[in-house]
Amino acid sequence: DGGITQSPKYLFRKEGQNVTLSCEQNLNHDAMYWYRQDPGQGLRLIYYSQIVNDFQKGDIAEGYSVSREKKESFPLTVTSAQKNPTAFYLCASSLGSVPTNQPQHFGDGTRLSIL
Amino acid sequence: QQQVKQSPQSLIVQKGGISIINCAYENTAFDYFPWYQQFPGKGPALLIAIRPDVSEKKEGRFTISFNKSAKQFSLHIMDSQPGDSATYFCAASRSKTGNTPLVFGKGTRLSVIA
Repeated sequence: DGGITQSPKYLFRKEGQNVTLSCEQNLNHDAMYWYRQDPGQGLRLIYYSQIVNDFQKGDIAEGYSVSREKKESFPLTVTSAQKNPTAFYLCASSLGSVPTNQPQHFGDGTRLSIL
Repeated sequence: QQQVKQSPQSLIVQKGGISIINCAYENTAFDYFPWYQQFPGKGPALLIAIRPDVSEKKEGRFTISFNKSAKQFSLHIMDSQPGDSATYFCAASRSKTGNTPLVFGKGTRLSVIA
């Protein structure tokens, strides 16, 4: 089955610790995205990548970092600089870019909490 | 600046009734408007999408109505069922100058009661 796999489902972070959230897709999609979801806030874009070895900051990139070394993988690191990391993190992917938008497919998320 | 405004925040509808969720956008360059459905603990799933060259799109019990001049679009769920209880998000993006990420509304929590 094709899809997006996010792991772990639940993650706990200690103060001052960096943690990495995994996102893998086997849909052969070019573009991948990371969103943060807080209650009543909708989905806010953290980072996105339209092609391997390239990525752009979204609206709330501070305190986060990403890499895109392989087409199928787009890990997100929540650094100690992110002072309020407790949230539900969603990874998504889409087929391509121009000339038309392609629908985004989402994983089932990782819930990150502070210990 | 919130580019896509969604209302209401929450909605309670009787089984068999019509659920209506509204969204308004500011950026006239937006040309793709999807709706997503999210169940607790799951990622959002694409429900239906529309482009501004049509005023309405229907898929089963779900209809998007689009008003380009007012910069508004809405989701109508006909014959609402308890299984439709979920959070719904509208979104928008532009594609003419290159694919851009979706901008999401804040979501509407729908409860369909028997």
